[in-house]
Amino acid sequence: QVQLQESGPGLVKPSQTLSLTCTVSGGSISSGDYYWSWIRQPPGKGLEWIGYIYYTGSTYYNPSLKSRLTISVDTSKNQFSLKLSSVTAADTAVYYCVRAPTLVATYIDYWGQGTLVTVSS
Amino acid sequence: SYELTQALSVSVALGQTARITCGGNNIGSKNVHWYQQKPGQAPVLVIYSDYNRPSGIPERFSGSNSGNTATLTISRAQAGDEADYYCQVWDSYTHVIFGGGTKLTVL
Repeated sequence: QVQLQESGPGLVKPSQTLSLTCTVSGGSISSGDYYWSWIRQPPGKGLEWIGYIYYTGSTYYNPSLKSRLTISVDTSKNQFSLKLSSVTAADTAVYYCVRAPTLVATYIDYWGQGTLVTVSS
Repeated sequence: SYELTQALSVSVALGQTARITCGGNNIGSKNVHWYQQKPGQAPVLVIYSDYNRPSGIPERFSGSNSGNTATLTISRAQAGDEADYYCQVWDSYTHVIFGGGTKLTVL
């Protein structure tokens, strides 16, 4: 059974960089069968896809966040990471790391528990 | 960019059938996936590729997709089905798109 666990600061100051890491257990990031992705959900609101990475390092980003976003992978640690720069209060959200099969019209089959990141001074 | 439209809320009597819709331009040509999210929890996939149920999802959950509307149907609704439900498709520009979510209340 695959498990994903987010980690990182729960509080980030405005204009700074939000950094999160997702540790994958029960399966290998390098399997090649999955995209590894981030999704966020502002309090009381809906889901927003942030972007995803393949184990080779290829990335696909939400166009609305692309200019501030970096997703990276560390296959040796079975982890992938998110960096979102120049954050504002609008970036306050629960951030989920997730797995998506490498299908043409893919879906999310496993979710982390999520971690709340608050942007505030 | 492609947009998905969901009603904010749907109510269903206990034991009756709930239908939650997801509207989009020619959505019938896309694969639609559905997630259930209970308060304080991560979403769970309940239907993928229009009508397929992942292992462990009750047969009471079913899906269909045609024209401009995809539908998640929950038969014999139970109190435990109260949750937010999100539809999702893949788009060539934004890649992963979610509907705004529908809150299901079981009366």
